[in-house]
Amino acid sequence: DSGVTQTPKHLITATGQRVTLRCSPRSGDLSVYWYQQSLDQGLQFLIQYYNGEERAKGNILERFSAQQFPDLHSELNLSSLELGDSALYFCASSVVGQGRGGYTFGSGTRLTVV
Amino acid sequence: GESVGLHLPTLSVQEGDNSIINCAYSNSASDYFIWYKQESGKGPQFIIDIRSNMDKRQGQRVTVLLNKTVKHLSLQIAATQPGDSAVYFCAEKTGGGNKLTFGTGTQLKVEL
Repeated sequence: DSGVTQTPKHLITATGQRVTLRCSPRSGDLSVYWYQQSLDQGLQFLIQYYNGEERAKGNILERFSAQQFPDLHSELNLSSLELGDSALYFCASSVVGQGRGGYTFGSGTRLTVV
Repeated sequence: GESVGLHLPTLSVQEGDNSIINCAYSNSASDYFIWYKQESGKGPQFIIDIRSNMDKRQGQRVTVLLNKTVKHLSLQIAATQPGDSAVYFCAEKTGGGNKLTFGTGTQLKVEL
């Protein structure tokens, strides 16, 4: 157990629908990152939050949004889903400012859009 | 098990041999590098890291080498074991913040 908890583990939904993925960071970590991993794209950075505020943005579609709550858990919202959104979505956490140490990843949510 | 990528480079080694996994990074300003291991159905797991002011760092059975001149990173695994079978990613960090950019990954297969 990495200490980063993602729910649900699997999600199957239809095109056009909206889903919410949840992430609880490792205890003490203030920063949360979301990554998408698809078969042909590898790990793509979506967005980072630090202590409730958006810190960095990557290749995140306008149909996607995220937030980090006061208790530091984060949610990634995916709307108007398309078949191409099927992927593994990973959350990772870290202590920003530590200067060293990578992320700790959760075990991911596998999203299948049918 | 499930495949992380359809077109990942693959390295096949015999159990007990040494493995060398290579990575070319993109940004000469990157100052911190990490190797991750991802087993089937799991999230990436930290293996070893190195700062740009070093050219070698050793861990338990693993060594990372950094060549900044040619922007090349390698991971050496000594006495490779079946449990080392996984996809290995290099990642680089540039400047402030903690955003990591990941390489495409290499599939390591250990043959008995």
